[in-house]
Order: sequence, then structure tokens, then C-alpha cells
Amino acid sequence: NAGVTQTPKFRVLKTGQSMTLLCAQDMNHEYMYWYRQDPGMGLRLIHYSVGEGTTAKGEVPDGYNVSRLKKQNFLLGLESAAPSQTSVYFCASSFDPGLAGAYTDTQYFGPGTRLTVL
Amino acid sequence: AQSVTQLGSHVSVSEGALVLLRCNYSSSVPPYLFWYVQYPNQGLQLLLKYTSAATLVKGINGFEAEFKKSETSFHLTKPSAHMSDAAEYFCAVSTGSGGGADGLTFGKGTHLIIQP
Repeated sequence: NAGVTQTPKFRVLKTGQSMTLLCAQDMNHEYMYWYRQDPGMGLRLIHYSVGEGTTAKGEVPDGYNVSRLKKQNFLLGLESAAPSQTSVYFCASSFDPGLAGAYTDTQYFGPGTRLTVL
Repeated sequence: AQSVTQLGSHVSVSEGALVLLRCNYSSSVPPYLFWYVQYPNQGLQLLLKYTSAATLVKGINGFEAEFKKSETSFHLTKPSAHMSDAAEYFCAVSTGSGGGADGLTFGKGTHLIIQP
């Protein structure tokens, strides 16, 4: 199992440019999440998905869009990047419905994407 | 709504000394509580979790944490620090309702420094 993978690992954008971050998981998880990590702020939830075709807003959703067209993939889009979106972005997943007795709350994290917006 | 407070953004201990990282939570329903560790330039790795079974939880790498409802605390400890424990540690809470589908609420993190 590769677990949770994120593409790309690093990216530099100019203000106003757009980009998409890809998250993929091979653990048959139903739930997927996007967080951003900023110094001294911990991790904050941007958007999440409880299943294929569904998405919901987290704590800091403004300026981001997401899509979950396939169960294993969760995309995070920035339509018009701003310097305030410079951050490290983490994807996570949880809950395998086929695993008997599984605790649904444990989240498994990807390695992160470091994004700089100039 | 739930929240997490980690006391001390930086904690420094000597190698071989006790490690104590503090976490207090606020939750309107019985919580699930987690400690994650982040090594430099890596993602988060689960250390341990409390899910309403035993109040003393043992995790990986010799860490453990005790859930104290009366104090709304979930402090992380390790009897003897090792240089490899130097990392960022995050406490997190979920309500446990709805299967935790709506994500975790994280504290701001504590940077653990190990002095040789």
C-alpha cells in the first residue's frame, strides 16, 4: 500500500495563477480531507468529503474548491492564487467501511505539498 | 464545537529526562482524542488515540497519554527522552459522532527539543 500520496510536492505560483493539487489513497477510505498548515497555527481544515461525489466546507474554505469524482482521489483547486495561500497543504483519509471494528476517526496523512504564492 | 489547547509552543528536555506535553480540550460531547507527531518535512503520523476505552493509552515509540475527564486533559508523556523524539507534536480532537466524518480539530502544536 502506498497509503496517501500527494502531487506535486512543491510548487511556486504567481498571484492570480491557478493550480490543482491531487490527493490519492489506496486504502478504500470513504472520508478524505484537505488541511493547511501555517507556522504557529496547527492544521486547519479547508474542505472534506464523506464519499464519492460529495464535498463540504471546513474551517477555512474561502479561495479553494474541491472535487471527489472518484473514491480514491480528492482534488484541491486554487482558481486565483493569493500570497495568503502560501502554506503547506496536507491531505488525509479515514474510514474503511469494509474493515470490521475499525475506528473511523483515525486519519492517515500524506507527505504534504509546499506551495508558495509570489 | 470543540477546541484544543496545547500549553507551550516549545518544550526543551535533556536526553533521558521525562517528556511531558500538555493538551487540554473542550468538547460538548464525549471526545475522541489523538496525538500526532510530525518530523521535519514530513506528514503527520499517529502516536496514539483515546476512543472511550481505557483512560491510559499506550502508543508507539514509548509514548503514552492519560485521559482525565475531570481536568479535560490528555497529556502526552514518555519516561526517557531520546534524540530521535525531536519533532512537532499535535493534539487533536474529534467528537466521535458521525464517525468523525467532519474532520479533526488540531492544537497549534508543541515543538519538542532534546538537549544532549
